[in-house]
Amino acid sequence: NAGVTQTPKFRILKIGQSMTLQCTQDMNHNYMYWYRQDPGMGLKLIYYSVGAGITDKGEVPNGYNVSRSTTEDFPLRLELAAPSQTSVYFCASSYSRSAGNTIYFGEGSWLTVV
Amino acid sequence: DQQVKQNSPSLSVQEGRISILNCDYTNSMFDYFLWYKKYPAEGPTFLISISSIKDKNEDGRFTVFLNKSAKHLSLHIVPSQPGDSAVYFCAASGLQGGSEKLVFGKGTKLTVNP
Repeated sequence: NAGVTQTPKFRILKIGQSMTLQCTQDMNHNYMYWYRQDPGMGLKLIYYSVGAGITDKGEVPNGYNVSRSTTEDFPLRLELAAPSQTSVYFCASSYSRSAGNTIYFGEGSWLTVV
Repeated sequence: DQQVKQNSPSLSVQEGRISILNCDYTNSMFDYFLWYKKYPAEGPTFLISISSIKDKNEDGRFTVFLNKSAKHLSLHIVPSQPGDSAVYFCAASGLQGGSEKLVFGKGTKLTVNP
């Protein structure tokens, strides 16, 4: 019952460093998402993917890149980390994006940029 | 511009009593509404949803009410239990700009006191 698995759980980055948050799902879902949650705020969509090879920007894509080479994996890359990217990141997946389709979330990755 | 608003950042109730969490939305294009529950250091998990063609949906101790004319929905938990203590996110889904959008509120932290 793995569901959505994301790594690492915690990471501290220095300004200007780069890193990749890994995400994998074993539910054969077509749709995958990356959200960020800032303190006291709701979830903001960074990028999403409707299937292997297809990605699109969400509300807050600046400073991030994604790729979707397989159905299972959807890594999120930060090229030049900035303090504004300090946040909790959630990877998620769903069977489709139609109304009411349940989104399953990973446990989150806590990222601090200093 | 907040399209989904949860105006109460926190709510505290006694065990056994009713918890009522409120959510307002501004966009008439939303036609599906969901509640997610989030424990600390975990990802959000789906709790209950309602389509805009209904005004009530019940699942055990959880009931969601939708008032479309007021653009308001609420989640009722009866009876409340200490294990219900979590952050509850309201989310609204609908077609915007030709694609399905899911917008989250900022969340309400519920504390159920024994």
